[in-house]
Amino acid sequence: RKEVEQDPGPFNVPEGATVAFNCTYSNSASQSFFWYRQDCRKEPKLLMSVYSSGNEDGRFTAQLNRASQYISLLIRDSKLSDSATYLCVVTGGRSKMRFGAGTRLTVKP
Amino acid sequence: GAVVSQHPSWVICKSGTSVKIECRSLDFQATTMFWYRQFPKQSLMLMATSNEGSKATYEQGVEKDKFLINHASLTLSTLTVTSAHPEDSSFYICSTWGGTQYFGPGTRLTVL
Repeated sequence: RKEVEQDPGPFNVPEGATVAFNCTYSNSASQSFFWYRQDCRKEPKLLMSVYSSGNEDGRFTAQLNRASQYISLLIRDSKLSDSATYLCVVTGGRSKMRFGAGTRLTVKP
Repeated sequence: GAVVSQHPSWVICKSGTSVKIECRSLDFQATTMFWYRQFPKQSLMLMATSNEGSKATYEQGVEKDKFLINHASLTLSTLTVTSAHPEDSSFYICSTWGGTQYFGPGTRLTVL
């Protein structure tokens, strides 16, 4: 079983749609959780950290469920510029970041 | 966030040659840097953790004699792919730690 699992998609949604991505992780000792965004042929860039209490940044909302070892990302009012691959990232500390394979999102006009 | 640069951004080489990739932390001193590899449509795979002034720590399955890592200063780590073969063609990305990891722009290696 992979340490971090994501639905690879692709998710094709119209502009303005709400879309949700899920991610599960296998190591119950994991401490920190992140969503990164990666554009084609580019490096990953931090989108947001994920906390047990849930956190929101504009149109983006992230949730963590430690009991179920599950992380989610919700994007509201999708924009064309949201088209990218979204990576779920789990870490046990300052090293050993484990990446999901990513979920590809395409927002269409 | 931290600013990380990589050089070169892309390289094409012949099979059997060695290629050196530089990773620089531009705005803070990084005692630890990380090297990843990403094949098309796959996730980033951690290759090794580069420690300033000491030997790198390699992940299981990564050949340390093939992927030489040097972290001689707090701002520079290098990865040398020795005797590169076509199967080494990949996207190599470094990162530094600053509360989370900040990535360099990556180096696309193509071995002919």
